[in-house]
Amino acid sequence: EVQLMESGGGLVQPGESLRLSCAASGFTFSSYSMNWVRQAPGKGLEWLSYISTNSATIYYADSVRGRFTISRDSAKNSLYLLMSSLTDEDSAIYYCARVSAGGHIDLWGQGTLVAVSS
Amino acid sequence: QPVLTQPPSVSGAPGQRITIPCTGSSSNIGAGYDVRWYQQHPGTAPKLLIFGTNNRPSGVPDRFSGSKSGTSASLAINGLQAEDEADYYCQSYDNTLNAWGIFGGGTKLTVL
Repeated sequence: EVQLMESGGGLVQPGESLRLSCAASGFTFSSYSMNWVRQAPGKGLEWLSYISTNSATIYYADSVRGRFTISRDSAKNSLYLLMSSLTDEDSAIYYCARVSAGGHIDLWGQGTLVAVSS
Repeated sequence: QPVLTQPPSVSGAPGQRITIPCTGSSSNIGAGYDVRWYQQHPGTAPKLLIFGTNNRPSGVPDRFSGSKSGTSASLAINGLQAEDEADYYCQSYDNTLNAWGIFGGGTKLTVL
């Protein structure tokens, strides 16, 4: 089955760090660029970061640039998001998403919840 | 503030036709970049509805269609059904941002 499965979410205190993982299965992970997208409670979708197939091209949203780091390991069919200096505004469901050859997201994970609170 | 603007909510009765607008600018929709639409039911992950402005992935009913004119795009749903009640997001690329893309703020569709 073609799927993405996020993990690593949880409750952390402000200022702490957290690493999210996304396990890909059922398709050739190394052939696809990937995104991280988040959704705060009751809010809309917010694109966070993009990584190309060979990691040569990486983009970040202004809201997370300098605090979040995207990476991938094609040998492990996995995508990562290292998040540091977390604030309560980072509380959200975090989705990993596959980018098609046409540039649109054609596959989403189920999401992992990150809660930042003291 | 999202660069792509959508109304917070729209509603319609079963069987009706509704449209959801997505207003952009000359640096995104108006520049000719593709518009995508995603559907999200409560408590679930988003799902691709329309790509390439007016193409439907396999499995998406032909009741759903997309269009674009100038700096705006629209999602149309014909023959509204109860299961269409969901949040809808437009998405495109903006050449002023060093980014993969941008999402609209989202529109909640209520089927009366």
